[in-house]
Amino acid sequence: GAVVSQHPSWVICKSGTSVKIECRSLDFQATTMFWYRQFPKQSLMLMATSNEGSKATYEQGVEKDKFLINHASLTLSTLTVTSAHPEDSSFYICSARDRATSTGELFFGEGSRLTVL
Amino acid sequence: AQSVTQLDSQVPVFEEAPVELRCNYSSSVSVYLFWYVQYPNQGLQLLLKYLSGSTLVKGINGFEAEFNKSQTSFHLRKPSVHISDTAEYFCAVSGLNTGGFKTIFGAGTRLFVKA
Repeated sequence: GAVVSQHPSWVICKSGTSVKIECRSLDFQATTMFWYRQFPKQSLMLMATSNEGSKATYEQGVEKDKFLINHASLTLSTLTVTSAHPEDSSFYICSARDRATSTGELFFGEGSRLTVL
Repeated sequence: AQSVTQLDSQVPVFEEAPVELRCNYSSSVSVYLFWYVQYPNQGLQLLLKYLSGSTLVKGINGFEAEFNKSQTSFHLRKPSVHISDTAEYFCAVSGLNTGGFKTIFGAGTRLFVKA
């Protein structure tokens, strides 16, 4: 089946630094990737939709300058948390849609747990 | 627009007992339906999906779900659960809206299997 790899799985950083999380589709091409944030014991909150070769579409309330998204190729999207603060600590998950299918099925990365000290 | 309601936030059940996790949806367009499972500190894994055809779909790990269009439901079932089934389960609906497919997730149901 389709595999999405997310890296790093865990990251701890100091307040004020920036952190980059990568999301790769390993065996398929993804014109669209999605970034979610998940708080403990809650559902996934869609942050933004990443489109290959164009600007990301952010959900209401998500700061574009805070969460920079780049989708430079059909297999890679990156999320950069800029000037991270403790309140940015969370579990971030990416998903990708196979451009060859039309069912809306999503393939998820393993998630990245960010802890900002 | 679509919405998804998972009626139970937590479902405790004893090992080897049957379980049903409930999911209802609403949509103004035709939809595809999915169940995903999330183990602690991991991403989501597809359990099963309904695209078309038979309303009873079988997935991995012995799970199955039945699409009921008249009741707009897609309940997940397993006849005999294991301790290892303890996880968070998400029902999701995907529909073609203006601008492309949009996937909506339910709030999740935590299945807790007790020995």
